[in-house]
Amino acid sequence: DTAVSQTPKYLVTQMGNDKSIKCEQNLGHDTMYWYKQDSKKFLKIMFSYNNKELIINETVPNRFSPKSPDKAHLNLHINSLELGDSAVYFCASSQGDSGYTDTQYFGPGTRLTVL
Amino acid sequence: SQQGEEDPQALSIQEGENATMNCSYKTSINNLQWYRQNSGRGLVHLILIRSNEREKHSGRLRVTLDTSKKSSSLLITASRAADTASYFCATDDDTPLVFGKGTRLSVIA
Repeated sequence: DTAVSQTPKYLVTQMGNDKSIKCEQNLGHDTMYWYKQDSKKFLKIMFSYNNKELIINETVPNRFSPKSPDKAHLNLHINSLELGDSAVYFCASSQGDSGYTDTQYFGPGTRLTVL
Repeated sequence: SQQGEEDPQALSIQEGENATMNCSYKTSINNLQWYRQNSGRGLVHLILIRSNEREKHSGRLRVTLDTSKKSSSLLITASRAADTASYFCATDDDTPLVFGKGTRLSVIA
């Protein structure tokens, strides 16, 4: 069984559109994250949720809005997509309530291409 | 926030050889982790070493940590073609994990 899953795996869309990426973990973890990996392979945290509550919100445009319906799911909604949003987005989860020193388990990633 | 920096950026070796990758960071840390990313796939956790540890082993992996030099190394012994991947170190200092750009390892059969 997949521990952390994301859908879709690939997403190609036009500038200005609104899209969502879904993430689910079946590990019973309390904390979930969204990361963005750019073309230079640099991985940067975007958001972190603990038990459905936002605990980290790095400098991310407010066009990005995470939604956590329950602690097993953390979806990422992006409004008015821009070319610079093209990247691979990774979802991750960890056991602890802070998550900072816990091992994080990553999903397979969603490759977003904005045309 | 600090950033782990891996070195070298790319490494190509023959199967059976050992591969060593290094990571440097800037401030004090609670722990340091190494991850592997196969092409087109998500990150897989390899090993975590705490700031009070100096060396840790897991199978063919050996990680060292030198907090005085703010550096860590990942050694993969007897490499295999399946070890071909990007390797990232991640550090934390009471802030979220911060990843470097990774070392791209190619193991040639």
